[in-house]
Amino acid sequence: AQSVSQHNHHVILSEAASLELGCNYSYGGTVNLFWYVQYPGQHLQLLLKYFSGDPLVKGIKGFEAEFIKSKFSFNLRKPSVQWSDTAEYFCAVPNQGGKLIFGQGTELSVKP
Amino acid sequence: DAGITQSPRHKVTETGTPVTLRCHQTENHRYMYWYRQDPGHGLRLIHYSYGVKDTDKGEVSDGYSVSRSKTEDFLLTLESATSSQTSVYFCAISDRASTDTQYFGPGTRLTVL
Repeated sequence: AQSVSQHNHHVILSEAASLELGCNYSYGGTVNLFWYVQYPGQHLQLLLKYFSGDPLVKGIKGFEAEFIKSKFSFNLRKPSVQWSDTAEYFCAVPNQGGKLIFGQGTELSVKP
Repeated sequence: DAGITQSPRHKVTETGTPVTLRCHQTENHRYMYWYRQDPGHGLRLIHYSYGVKDTDKGEVSDGYSVSRSKTEDFLLTLESATSSQTSVYFCAISDRASTDTQYFGPGTRLTVL
């Protein structure tokens, strides 16, 4: 069965530090990959997605993610984080039944 | 933001009582979903719908039922609420496929005492 793993459960960074959050999945037939963000007290919002084409995907607020098929990974990056990036980040991939499954989430705390 | 509303936004109830949560969309999207969010578990799919009167179970469907009589409304019912169903419930919608981008509602925080 498909599984999604987000290695980092809680990341604490200072403003201007670089960010990389890991996401690995097990089902090789995956084609649609997503990162969602949930700001404190809010609902999930789409950060970026990969469906096909250039494996380096750019999203909102300066975030990007790279799809590496051989590593079953879709890591999220941002060169310089801001305090306003404090949120929880979820990776999501489809399972074999065509339903999205979500990782456990990574809580990012950015210190001003 | 996609036109999705959830009601109620907060509810406190007692064990054993039935509870119904409502999701309403104005986007005319075909697919609708109910998830629960719990610390350390991310989001887990409870039930989903792929059209009016067409629903199916997700990974944590025990104790929940759903109905969709109109495109815009998707109801989640806890038949007899238990404390383990204390959670935040999110509705989501997608348009062309169940693996398409999903848009989420604001959530309902349910506490079962």
